[in-house]
Amino acid sequence: RKEVEQDPGPFNVPEGATVAFNCTYSNSASQSFFWYRQDCRKEPKLLMSVYSSGNEDGRFTAQLNRASQYISLLIRDSKLSDSATYLCVVRETGNQFYFGTGTSLTVIP
Amino acid sequence: NAGVTQTPKFRVLKTGQSMTLLCAQDMNHEYMYWYRQDPGMGLRLIHYSVGEGTTAKGEVPDGYNVSRLKKQNFLLGLESAAPSQTSVYFCAIRDSSYEQYFGPGTRLTVT
Repeated sequence: RKEVEQDPGPFNVPEGATVAFNCTYSNSASQSFFWYRQDCRKEPKLLMSVYSSGNEDGRFTAQLNRASQYISLLIRDSKLSDSATYLCVVRETGNQFYFGTGTSLTVIP
Repeated sequence: NAGVTQTPKFRVLKTGQSMTLLCAQDMNHEYMYWYRQDPGMGLRLIHYSVGEGTTAKGEVPDGYNVSRLKKQNFLLGLESAAPSQTSVYFCAIRDSSYEQYFGPGTRLTVT
């Protein structure tokens, strides 16, 4: 059983495009949700936490659907610098976190 | 992330050798984690600590030991390295909002 599943992509989009990623999780009791980005050969960096009501940070919007057990990330007006792997992370209960394998995004000039 | 450092950055070991990876933080967080990242598998939790003097097993603890003698440091040990432990190892700290911040990683190759 995979706790967290993501479409690995790759997603290749032109600059200025809007792109969306989904992530599904298996445990309905999961409590915390996050998106991280990881550049090649670097550490993951927190992009944003995902709240039940949905939240936005500039060009990035995250949504949580507890009924269907998925979270999404929408990137508007894609920039070249958005090229990275996006990791979905879920905390079930307690102190352990589960990571998806990541979705690769390349923004093309 | 200047708040979490890892030593060493790279290491090559022969099968059966031992080594210790050091994670240090300067942010006074209670929670610290060790993960490994392998191609196609995402990050997997090895061990974690909820405070000085405490440790707990994660998803893939076999072949590893940890210690948290000081709050700032979390050590990951390999007593007898195996090729299956070739991986990139990341340390992370966790804040009160459950947000994690990672160190730069250690690339370990076991031949």
